[in-house]
Amino acid sequence: AQTVTQSQPEMSVQEAETVTLSCTYDTSESDYYLFWYKQPPSRQMILVIRQEAYKQQNATENRFSVNFQKAAKSFSLKISDSQLGDAAMYFCARFSNTGNQFYFGTGTSLTVIP
Amino acid sequence: DTAVSQTPKYLVTQMGNDKSIKCEQNLGHDTMYWYKQDSKKFLKIMFSYNNKELIINETVPNRFSPKSPDKAHLNLHINSLELGDSAVYFCASSPWGGEVTEAFFGQGTRLTVV
Repeated sequence: AQTVTQSQPEMSVQEAETVTLSCTYDTSESDYYLFWYKQPPSRQMILVIRQEAYKQQNATENRFSVNFQKAAKSFSLKISDSQLGDAAMYFCARFSNTGNQFYFGTGTSLTVIP
Repeated sequence: DTAVSQTPKYLVTQMGNDKSIKCEQNLGHDTMYWYKQDSKKFLKIMFSYNNKELIINETVPNRFSPKSPDKAHLNLHINSLELGDSAVYFCASSPWGGEVTEAFFGQGTRLTVV
């Protein structure tokens, strides 16, 4: 199976607080890439952060960071100091080297409460 | 400069019609994709092309036919449109092989079949 699972259909966070979005995946590959994409109401898909599976160090991009647990096949996204502009759908994705395609999770809708 | 551009952005048409969605990327990528996003926001791969050659053809009705005249373009033609075809269709591109940076997405085409 090549599934990517996001178990939280909806999440909410108070402005300036921290929120963590969960993602797990299934693969037998040892080398792959993981991504978090953001889709605001404009529907444009925007890359938030990416992680190479061969790198042990967790990726960070300003207020966004990941907790990558390769053995557990887990890839969660932490958003610190949440801002109103962070409100969007967030998709976790895995790139398969063998199939050369991106597998997406079902998305988590994040609401930021002022 | 728009990296991946799709036209049209919105498309409303009647059942039974034939329509096309165009996609162009100026990133020099070898691989292009079509994804369908349904009403529940689920993103599903439809087709993938590498250097004008079809490499992924998921279970998609024959009414959908992709065409890649060159590696910068991947168009989607849909025959005999049905109500269930209503969705947002995304074109995307990425490099082939080597280090995968990300999938770059177009702005999506919202297709409404009435």
